[in-house]
Amino acid sequence: DAGVTQSPTHLIKTRGQQVTLRCSPKSGHDTVSWYQQALGQGPQFIFQYYEEEERQRGNFPDRFSGHQFPNYSSELNVNALLLGDSALYLCASSLDPRETQYFGPGTRLLVL
Amino acid sequence: GIQVEQSPPDLILQEGANSTLRCNFSDSVNNLQWFHQNPWGQLINLFYIPSGTKQNGRLSATTVATERYSLLYISSSQTTDSGVYFCAVEYSGAGSYQLTFGKGTKLSVIP
Repeated sequence: DAGVTQSPTHLIKTRGQQVTLRCSPKSGHDTVSWYQQALGQGPQFIFQYYEEEERQRGNFPDRFSGHQFPNYSSELNVNALLLGDSALYLCASSLDPRETQYFGPGTRLLVL
Repeated sequence: GIQVEQSPPDLILQEGANSTLRCNFSDSVNNLQWFHQNPWGQLINLFYIPSGTKQNGRLSATTVATERYSLLYISSSQTTDSGVYFCAVEYSGAGSYQLTFGKGTKLSVIP
């Protein structure tokens, strides 16, 4: 049983560019959440998708947007990249929004 | 929002020693998870433990929900236990589905 997968593993962008990160949940999981982890900090919640809709959003600007597809996979889009967007972006999936969340290996984004 | 505090922030152990990591949270929760983050950034599930006690090999965890804390015990530590341990909680209020993480405990196990 494949776990949560994310692509790409690493990404380098310049300020002002746009980026799309992808996540495939564990088999059977219908809920996907995205987190941002800055260096030396704990992950911070960006948003959660369930049944192709954004269910809850954390304290992140509108530059951060997402999408969930009918097969439950998800994308995170960040527009107008800032240096401060450099971080590890983690995707988590769960069978139910309030059950155990399983995390993918993350995408490391560096903004120059 | 809910606050999560972990202690100690850093811990250095000799191989074979035991340790206790603590997580305090400021409100009632539906979900509490302990994770181990390896050097490559992967968050590995250790326990889903909103209340009670669980054991898995050398690791065990206890959550006392009424007193708003959880403990992670590591016995006979090994160098492979090194990394950052995170506690994460989900507030039980209506419409809340996010995990809120503490700042973690960085564990270094030396031979």
